Amino acid sequence: TQLLEQSPQFLSIQEGENLTVYCNSSSVFSSLQWYRQEPGEGPVLLVTVVTGGEVKKLKRLTFQFGDARKDSSLHITAAQPGDTGLYLCAGAGLNSGYALNFGKGTSLLVTP
Amino acid sequence: EAGVAQSPRYKIIEKRQSVAFWCNPISGHATLYWYQQILGQGPKLLIQFQNNGVVDDSQLPKDRFSAERLKGVDSTLKIQPAKLEDSAVYLCASSEGPDSGTEAFFGQGTRLTVV
Repeated sequence: TQLLEQSPQFLSIQEGENLTVYCNSSSVFSSLQWYRQEPGEGPVLLVTVVTGGEVKKLKRLTFQFGDARKDSSLHITAAQPGDTGLYLCAGAGLNSGYALNFGKGTSLLVTP
Repeated sequence: EAGVAQSPRYKIIEKRQSVAFWCNPISGHATLYWYQQILGQGPKLLIQFQNNGVVDDSQLPKDRFSAERLKGVDSTLKIQPAKLEDSAVYLCASSEGPDSGTEAFFGQGTRLTVV
């Protein structure tokens, strides 16, 4: 099993602040995905990154895949209360038949 | 398009009892996953099917957990006998295929409480 470490585990910020969430591993992934999960629901895909060094933007969210494809970051600009949720990174590895393994998540709370 | 359907939504059982969860993936999706999510943590992969074959079950506690996907569509996950530490949300997900980067679509999960 390829382990994914996420940091920080918890984050509480005020509306308008910026934040960065990290996802790290010692393994190389063929792709890495970021999901967001709200209470009582399953995770929903935000983005998939495939190429080392790739940067993708989704409105106020910026995702980056490390050059070595072992790590990724999620940056949120001007956070809003609607961004509150559990942010999960998930990696698919060739050696595991592309089994999708998740990190433990970062729980984000944005207060007005 | 109908999403991933799971049932039941909630289940409370006593320890040492048996329980089964059912999942109907999105039509046409070849890959099906079962995950266990303990409160406050990320989902832990239990088993991944490609059609009706097992791709990865390395984290499935096989002494008490079993899963099947006989016709390559619906799947059931069974726990027998249940332990207190099995209390968690069991999530089913499906994707078009096992290729890297394919989006996984999740059901709402079954919340299991073992007392």
